Amino acid sequence: NAGVTQTPKFQVLKTGQSMTLQCAQDMNHNSMYWYRQDPGMGLRLIYYSASEGTTDKGEVPNGYNVSRLNKREFSLRLESAAPSQTSVYFCASRYPVGNTEAFFGQGTRLTVV
Amino acid sequence: KQEVTQIPAALSVPEGENLVLNCSFTDSAIYNLQWFRQDPGKGLTSLLLIQSSQREQTSGRLNASLDKSSGRSTLYIAASQPGDSATYLCAPGGSYIPTFGRGTSLIVHP
Repeated sequence: NAGVTQTPKFQVLKTGQSMTLQCAQDMNHNSMYWYRQDPGMGLRLIYYSASEGTTDKGEVPNGYNVSRLNKREFSLRLESAAPSQTSVYFCASRYPVGNTEAFFGQGTRLTVV
Repeated sequence: KQEVTQIPAALSVPEGENLVLNCSFTDSAIYNLQWFRQDPGKGLTSLLLIQSSQREQTSGRLNASLDKSSGRSTLYIAASQPGDSATYLCAPGGSYIPTFGRGTSLIVHP
């Protein structure tokens, strides 16, 4: 059972480049989340998808877009990367909505130079 | 907006001590509260999940309590070991979204 899988694990981008972070879960979870983790800031929610076909903004959505491709996959796109987006990105999922534990991927460490 | 505070921010103790990690949150309308462990450079590992109707949950040397009305949860670690060294995060969960505290960084030295 793979759980939540994120790709890539590491990435270096130049300012202005674009990229997509991939996340897939094999637990049949309804809800999926993207967080970023910065030193001293804890985990902050970027976007979430409560169920297939829906997405909503979290606390820090600016500069990002998401796609809930199907029930398994939830991608995060940076259209024009900025140094302020240097962070560790975590994807998480949970099922059913509201009353079960969340599971996390191993993270993507992104550096924008 | 849910605000989560974890105290202490950092803790360094000798092996064998019993530990108390505190988590407080401002919005008591939660469905559950989850405690996680994060090792350096790694993802989050779920330790315990307490439903809003529960008062406590135990797993091995870990015991977590929840007082939803006062907005508090406590994680007890009994007989701490060097392998417990990690950052511990609490996340009260609303209808869709877990919100995280900044964590308690724990070092247990031999």
